[in-house]
Amino acid sequence: SAVISQKPSRDICQRGTSLTIQCQVDSQVTMMFWYRQQPGQSLTLIATANQGSEATYESGFVIDKFPISRPNLTFSTLTVSNMSPEDSSIYLCSVRAGGADTEAFFGQGTRLTVV
Amino acid sequence: QKEVEQNSGPLSVPEGAIASLNCTYSDRGSQSFFWYRQYSGKSPELIMFIYSNGDKEDGRFTAQLNKASQYVSLLIRDSQPSDSATYLCAVNAYGGSQGNLIFGKGTKLSVKP
Repeated sequence: SAVISQKPSRDICQRGTSLTIQCQVDSQVTMMFWYRQQPGQSLTLIATANQGSEATYESGFVIDKFPISRPNLTFSTLTVSNMSPEDSSIYLCSVRAGGADTEAFFGQGTRLTVV
Repeated sequence: QKEVEQNSGPLSVPEGAIASLNCTYSDRGSQSFFWYRQYSGKSPELIMFIYSNGDKEDGRFTAQLNKASQYVSLLIRDSQPSDSATYLCAVNAYGGSQGNLIFGKGTKLSVKP
């Protein structure tokens, strides 16, 4: 299993500002993902964080809005830029240690409120 | 567009009853299937995974997979109030280059004492 430390756990931010969320894993992992979960909704993949290269973004998400870093196999950051109230959501870091037959582990989540 | 469909519920069952949660998926090439439980305000945690057609049992939980019908279910026997949560069905993104999971919207289960 993997233990993920995600922070901050929650924040209230002013519109127009940016917030950087950190995800630290206790072991090296192959795959690391960032999801968004809006109130009462399921998880939507924002992007896959690639070690040593640019993240792979899903349709509807762009690098300028959600820049991602992954400097090594245990750490990643997601920045929510130029925030608006529509960005209020829970953001989750997730990792998978291997291939398609391995489970995904989740960080505790970051509950973001934009006012 | 790869999709995972679940009844949103809420599904309400009395304590001790069997809760049946269902999920269908659109991508016939999907190979692996996961059930996650998410308590309110918490992150998802894995309940079970299944790859082969048929049933897989783990304690009070049984996952059932029918690839021909593109259908996966989760049965919870002897339901307890502590089982009250949202249950998320997830499918591995077949052919995806990054190995992400695609999640359904979840079924909210309420177990009444």
